[in-house]
Amino acid sequence: DAKTTQPPSMDCAEGRAANLPCNHSTISGNEYVYWYRQIHSQGPQYIIHGLKNNETNEMASLIITEDRKSSTLILPHATLRDTAVYYCIVRVAFGDEKLTFGTGTRLTIIP
Amino acid sequence: SQTIHQWPATLVQPVGSPLSLECTVEGTSNPNLYWYRQAAGRGLQLLFYSIGIGQISSEVPQNLSASRPQDRQFILSSKKLLLSDSGFYLCACKTDTDTQYFGPGTRLTVL
Repeated sequence: DAKTTQPPSMDCAEGRAANLPCNHSTISGNEYVYWYRQIHSQGPQYIIHGLKNNETNEMASLIITEDRKSSTLILPHATLRDTAVYYCIVRVAFGDEKLTFGTGTRLTIIP
Repeated sequence: SQTIHQWPATLVQPVGSPLSLECTVEGTSNPNLYWYRQAAGRGLQLLFYSIGIGQISSEVPQNLSASRPQDRQFILSSKKLLLSDSGFYLCACKTDTDTQYFGPGTRLTVL
């Protein structure tokens, strides 16, 4: 079973920042937070991951609360190509072989 | 960075027929390789993973099998397909960064 809770759907206007929340209240100290997205009929795409510090890469930023019980994925300037299902996953680094995908958040970017 | 190829992209097979799906990886050595299945409207389910040539771990016992004849080749097979085998089959690889990257997938329809 997935250890995360995400809203089933969200809309965001094109050009605005998309903020996708994720609750992981039972996260363990050695579990990382990973984000993937899946565009329709494609394989999941890795976005970003982190342990406790905020992380940023060319795709997105990941903000993890101090207690690590929740996080937010930020797409700074959403485009129509960002329309996808976004999955938040927690796993033990160099431990879990299985990625447990929940139902994710279906993000729709509106022109 | 690694590139994952999956063949074929789509496949329609009758019930009871055999199956062979191929995954090949470029740009990395000694990867961990994975087969996932995504049934319509559902999450990803890990089927098999491999940490090396000839080493296969099964997560879900069923009429599917996997083989790894070469370092960067992973094959999913079945002797007799069932209707319930329909789905989107995804190959993934993990390198020393401990992040799984997914291929484009094979969409299998069993009629």
